[in-house]
Amino acid sequence: GEDVEQSLFLSVREGDSSVINCTYTDSSSTYLYWYKQEPGAGLQLLTYIFSNMDMKQDQRLTVLLNKKDKHLSLRIADTQTGDSAIYFCAESYPHYGGSQGNLIFGKGTKLSVKP
Amino acid sequence: EPEVTQTPSHQVTQMGQEVILRCVPISNHLYFYWYRQILGQKVEFLVSFYNNEISEKSEIFDDQFSVERPDGSNFTLKIRSTKLEDSAMYFCASMDRTLYEQYFGPGTRLTVT
Repeated sequence: GEDVEQSLFLSVREGDSSVINCTYTDSSSTYLYWYKQEPGAGLQLLTYIFSNMDMKQDQRLTVLLNKKDKHLSLRIADTQTGDSAIYFCAESYPHYGGSQGNLIFGKGTKLSVKP
Repeated sequence: EPEVTQTPSHQVTQMGQEVILRCVPISNHLYFYWYRQILGQKVEFLVSFYNNEISEKSEIFDDQFSVERPDGSNFTLKIRSTKLEDSAMYFCASMDRTLYEQYFGPGTRLTVT
């Protein structure tokens, strides 16, 4: 079945770059997402990439997709203490056969940023 | 900026009781979802809803669960007879016509005692 895997923890120093990695199993995924969850809060959509792209940049965020290896990464440049949160990778599927875009999530990577 | 809202933020209930979790999706969105996150575990898909009917549901979404869109703005999840293992954070989400930006509400923490 479908599965999304992430490492559970990442610790970086303020000002450094953070790279959060994710692997997924289903090559028919159409969109891949990154969500951020701060303590006690909901899931904030950070960015997403369509499966026919290999890179997307949005200000400090860079998403890289290696479709052959089914590997997705999120790079946060100049990481700040406010970036401390749990980051979830998620995939979704083509909208046919009744599927309407439900997301399959990884367990989340807890990013700790030390001053 | 439009956002998905959920009420209540925290619900405590006794085992066997019925609960209704409420969500107000973003107003021009057409696709609605419920997910849950048991403490320390993955966010899991429960059900998707489109055009006033369930379009997909997971194996978690058994006969104890139901969803409804009673009017043009609310989207509810009902659990008929709660069990201890239903204790989790429940997230509502909605998505627009473009079918790729899914926005989540802040969640309702359900505690079953």
